[in-house]
Amino acid sequence: QSALTQPASVSGSPGQSITISCTGTIVDIGDYNFVSWYQQHPGKAPKVIIFDVSHRPSGLSNRFSGSKSGNTASLTISGLQAEDEADYYCASYTSSTTLYVFGTGTRVTVL
Amino acid sequence: EVQLVQSGAEVKKPGESLRISCKGSGYSFTNYWINWVRQMPEKGLEWMGRIDPSDSYTNDNPSFQGHVTISVDKSINTAYLHLSSLQASDTAMYFCARQARSSSSLTADYWGQGTLVTVSS
Repeated sequence: QSALTQPASVSGSPGQSITISCTGTIVDIGDYNFVSWYQQHPGKAPKVIIFDVSHRPSGLSNRFSGSKSGNTASLTISGLQAEDEADYYCASYTSSTTLYVFGTGTRVTVL
Repeated sequence: EVQLVQSGAEVKKPGESLRISCKGSGYSFTNYWINWVRQMPEKGLEWMGRIDPSDSYTNDNPSFQGHVTISVDKSINTAYLHLSSLQASDTAMYFCARQARSSSSLTADYWGQGTLVTVSS
């Protein structure tokens, strides 16, 4: 099972919106609504920000939103802030050889 | 307060074995899966496997099969990651993370602080 495909980097100015894509196949994103997104700041453990494609954990900012179309999931960060500068990873359930697979990761830079 | 506390950094030689621990507190340990995630230096996250502390049932990533074993001692709320025949390519940060048993997504809401493993001759 290969990693899900994400763009290596995405950037935006404060206040702008950015979208990160996560492309899989029919055996993972395409067939299941079990996609989650993680934010990881340097030297820190990841933090879940979206689960089940579009649900936010309690207390998390509504500037983060998730969606899915076909084999591709997306994370949108609106009203970009300096603190959003981090690495972002998608993860999906898969019916392939493993149970879960992460994306390749996207570095978000706030200009 | 929910916490997952991992054992400290390790430096090992090639061919040696290693056990990393992850102790949970502040919640019902047997109600949550414990997942293990690897992050090699400057690289992405890799799901290694998970264990159900209530019955020690595991799901494993075949990519790590034969090299990695996950176990648990529920009497002390601790999960373990065993790495055998270490190679330089095992140099990485290893994280444990809990996941609700009812969750189908990899919704890991609490993570350990990570254990840095360095394999060098």
